[in-house]
Amino acid sequence: DVKVTQSSRYLVKRTGEKVFLECVQDMDHENMFWYRQDPGLGLRLIYFSYDVKMKEKGDIPEGYSVSREKKERFSLILESASTNQTSMYLCASSPPNWGSNNEQFFGPGTRLTVL
Amino acid sequence: TQLLEQSPQFLSIQEGENLTVYCNSSSVFSSLQWYRQEPGEGPVLLVTVVTGGEVKKLKRLTFQFGDARKDSSLHITAAQPGDTGLYLCAGPSSGTYKYIFGTGTRLKVLA
Repeated sequence: DVKVTQSSRYLVKRTGEKVFLECVQDMDHENMFWYRQDPGLGLRLIYFSYDVKMKEKGDIPEGYSVSREKKERFSLILESASTNQTSMYLCASSPPNWGSNNEQFFGPGTRLTVL
Repeated sequence: TQLLEQSPQFLSIQEGENLTVYCNSSSVFSSLQWYRQEPGEGPVLLVTVVTGGEVKKLKRLTFQFGDARKDSSLHITAAQPGDTGLYLCAGPSSGTYKYIFGTGTRLKVLA
């Protein structure tokens, strides 16, 4: 059974804290993604990675950074958390050959609250 | 900028009723995908439609891709409480690695 796991289901942090969200996939996928999901806005891409140590900015990268040191792990970092980063964060992975209608496999999400 | 707009945003119906959810864009997409997200889980792919005019069926769910490949619909026949969830359409952004997601339709089927 394919799996994408995220380190926490719920997280509460204070403004200004550095926050790490971890994502691990066991499907040997090249592509990994971080999205945030907010009501009425759908899923918005923060960053994606198509290989180890490779990353590309998505639509809303400001205030975030990522790390991909190993193929199976993709981390999202909030350098200094702010209240407007309170959201549901979803990690996904997919095989290569992007544009060939590949399925994205999603983790269960991390609901982050920044106080 | 390619956008996908879904309607309705919310839908609450009784078990056994039929419903249709729409996904519209002013842009042409090479394909469109439909995902369902249940509470507390990530989205799961239901179907991918590729050819203009294509119709795909998944048990009681019927998916159609518009002839001009700018829109898609999802029709559910005799809805059941297990159909409850957030339905998202998504399409590849031309010339990039990205997928664009629609705003979602939140469906609640009451027993």
